[in-house]
Order: sequence, then C-alpha cells, then structure tokens
Amino acid sequence: EAGVVQSPRYKIIEKKQPVAFWCNPISGHNTLYWYLQNLGQGPELLIRYENEEAVDDSQLPKDRFSAERLKGVDSTLKIQPAELGDSAVYLCASSLGQHNEQFFGPGTRLTVL
Amino acid sequence: ILNVEQSPQSLHVQEGDSTNFTCSFPSSNFYALHWYRWETAKSPEALFVMTLNGDEKKKGRISATLNTKEGYSYLYIKGSQPEDSATYLCAFKTSGSRLTFGEGTQLTVNP
Repeated sequence: EAGVVQSPRYKIIEKKQPVAFWCNPISGHNTLYWYLQNLGQGPELLIRYENEEAVDDSQLPKDRFSAERLKGVDSTLKIQPAELGDSAVYLCASSLGQHNEQFFGPGTRLTVL
Repeated sequence: ILNVEQSPQSLHVQEGDSTNFTCSFPSSNFYALHWYRWETAKSPEALFVMTLNGDEKKKGRISATLNTKEGYSYLYIKGSQPEDSATYLCAFKTSGSRLTFGEGTQLTVNP
C-alpha cells in the first residue's frame, strides 16, 4: 500500500515569491493534516481537513497561507508571498478519521533566501 | 496551550547500550499518547499509540510505558544499534483530536 506522497521534497525560493506544496494521502483516508516543523521543534498543526472541509485552521496564518482539498483527496498548501521565517519542513499526514493513527509523508523542506 | 516536554534533547550512545527517553504531558483531558520515530529524509514512523494508564507496549527492542495520572511516558531501546539513530517524537492528544508534539529527542548511536 502506497504511503502519503508529497512533492516536491525540496524547494528553494527567494523571499516574496509564491510556493505550493502538494500532498496525496493514503487511499481512503478522509482526514488530512498539514503540519509545520521548524528546526529543533516538533511539528505544529496548520490545518485539518475532514474530506473537503477545513475543520481546524486556527493555526494557519491566513494572510499569506492558503490550502485546498477540492475533491476530498489531494491537497495543496500555498504560501504567497514567502518570507525568510517560512523556511521549515512542511509535513502532510492522513488518517481514517480524526481519532485514528496518523500516517505522515516525508515532508517538503522549504528554504527561503 | 498544551505543554509536551521531552528529555533529553539529544543523546549519544554506543552500539549495544540501552537507553531511555522521557515525555511529559498534561495529566488532564488525556485521550492518547503517540510515539514516532523520524529518520532524516524519511517520513515520521508511528511506533506506539497508548491510551490506558499503565499501558506497556513493545516492538522488537523498543518498548514504552504510560502513566496518565502523573503525565509521563518512557521510551526504552534495548541494545541500541546504529539504525536506531533518529529523532523520537512524542505527541499528546486530548479528545479534541489535535496532536501536540514535543520537540523530540535526537538519538545518535555510534558503532
């Protein structure tokens, strides 16, 4: 069974540029999460989807960050414009319902110059 | 704000040594405690999900215990091997379903 797929794995951009990350969850998993992991810290939840609905986006900086999961499967996380402080690893995870085990993708490591 | 603390922050051991890490979490509104292993350039891998006070779980040379009343969990590795080198994350969950992660313990096992 394929795991959570994320792309790209690495991205280097200049500040003020836009960037997008893509996540394909495990087939059948209705719950999808985006996490931000800063160096030396644990992952922090940005947004949680139940199917196509964003049910917890309280930690998402909405001035520059946006996310979508239009058909309740794949998801895209966008930053526009990127700032130096956005350099981090962006992790996607999925689960069969909000209380079940979360399976993580390998993450996208973003470097903003 | 939920506070999940892990110690030590980093650890260097020799191959064959046994080691353990601590995860401290709030003792109220407990739902579950997760342990993950995260190797560089790979996906975080779930090790254990623990829900009951007194739970003890084992997977090969790795085991974990849970004390929900005092708010801590221990992860033990017996006979560490170089392939055990990774960051070990614990995550606390209330019934509200959001996982709150600790900062992790970075383990390096020297051959």
